[in-house]
Formats: sequence, C-alpha cells, structure tokens
Amino acid sequence: DVKVTQSSRYLVKRTGEKVFLECVQDMDHENMFWYRQDPGLGLRLIYFSYDVKMKEKGDIPEGYSVSREKKERFSLILESASTNQTSMYLCASSLGRVTEAFFGQGTRLTVV
Amino acid sequence: QKEVEQNSGPLSVPEGAIASLNCTYSDRGSQSFFWYRQYSGKSPELIMFIYSNGDKEDGRFTAQLNKASQYVSLLIRDSQPSDSATYLCAVSFNNDMRFGAGTRLTVKP
Repeated sequence: DVKVTQSSRYLVKRTGEKVFLECVQDMDHENMFWYRQDPGLGLRLIYFSYDVKMKEKGDIPEGYSVSREKKERFSLILESASTNQTSMYLCASSLGRVTEAFFGQGTRLTVV
Repeated sequence: QKEVEQNSGPLSVPEGAIASLNCTYSDRGSQSFFWYRQYSGKSPELIMFIYSNGDKEDGRFTAQLNKASQYVSLLIRDSQPSDSATYLCAVSFNNDMRFGAGTRLTVKP
C-alpha cells in the first residue's frame, strides 16, 4: 500500500514564526502536492512538484514556499506564519502524469 | 486560473435511492478526472477515475464524462447511510491536480 506520512497531526505556532510541514511518501512517486482545506473552499492547490528540485506554483502560493531535495520528501514552508494560514494542510503524491493521488493524514495548523 | 466547480449541497437522498453528483471544469486540456470521498475528519480517498468520454461503472458507482461540455458526474445507486460523506471532484492536466469544493451527501435511513 502507498503510504504518505505527514510529520504532525496537530501544530500550534505563533504569528511570525517560520513553520515547516514535512511529507514523505514511500512508493517512489514522481509527483507530490500540497493543499490546504478550509470549510466551503475545498482543497486548494498551494504548490506541486513533478521531480526532485522542480516545483510549480498552484493557485494560492503566496506566503508559502516548498522544497524537494529528495524524491520521497516534499516540505511546505510558511516563511512568516499569519493567522489566515490557520488551516488543514494535506500532502499527496501520485505516480506520474494524470494518475490518482494518495493523501497523507493531514496537519491541522493553528497560528495564534 | 483553472477552475473546478461543484454544487456544495448538502444533497440528501433516502436509502436505496440514486444520488447524482455533478462537476464542471474550465480547462479544456484536462486529461484525467477523479472522484474522491472524504469522511469527516479523514483524508480524501479515491472512488473512481475516468479518462475517456462516456460512462464507467464500478459496482454501485458510475462516472460519466463529457469533454465537449466540460462536465463529469458521479452516480451512486442503491445509496447507503455509509455513503454519507463529502464527494470531491478532481481534474488533472499534466502533473497538476485541482479539486472542487466538494458536495456533502447525506443518505437518510
């Protein structure tokens, strides 16, 4: 079975902190994604990566950056956390182009 | 911006009825289409995918795709209370994947 693991289920950070959310997949998938999910807004794509060191902006990249130094790991970075970044963050991976995505368990981030 | 639109619901159907969920998308170049189910507090899980125009059936689920109309739907036959969840439509072009806001379905016993 594909396993996508996010480093934390719950996280509380202070405004202005630099925050790292980590995601690891164990199935040698090419693509990895970061989404945030808010009530009524569904999953919104923040960034995705289709190869090591390659990244593409999604629909809401402002205030975020990403890093993919190894194929299995995709990190989301909040450069200076703000309260409007309080959300559920979901990482996903997929084998290649146009194939299904498998999700991690999610990280509930609260910025106070 | 590439958009995926769904009716947010809630959609309520009696047990045993057919539930019909709809989705439209803006990018004509979209290549793959997915339906995910998400239970409250859980991550999305794949129900079905469809790549070609027409219908695709898997058990009680049927996905329908019409690329000319940029429309994809999911039919759930013989709906069960355990089908109560939020259903997310996802559309993929090349390496990206974008989701609609989801439709909340309630199946009443």
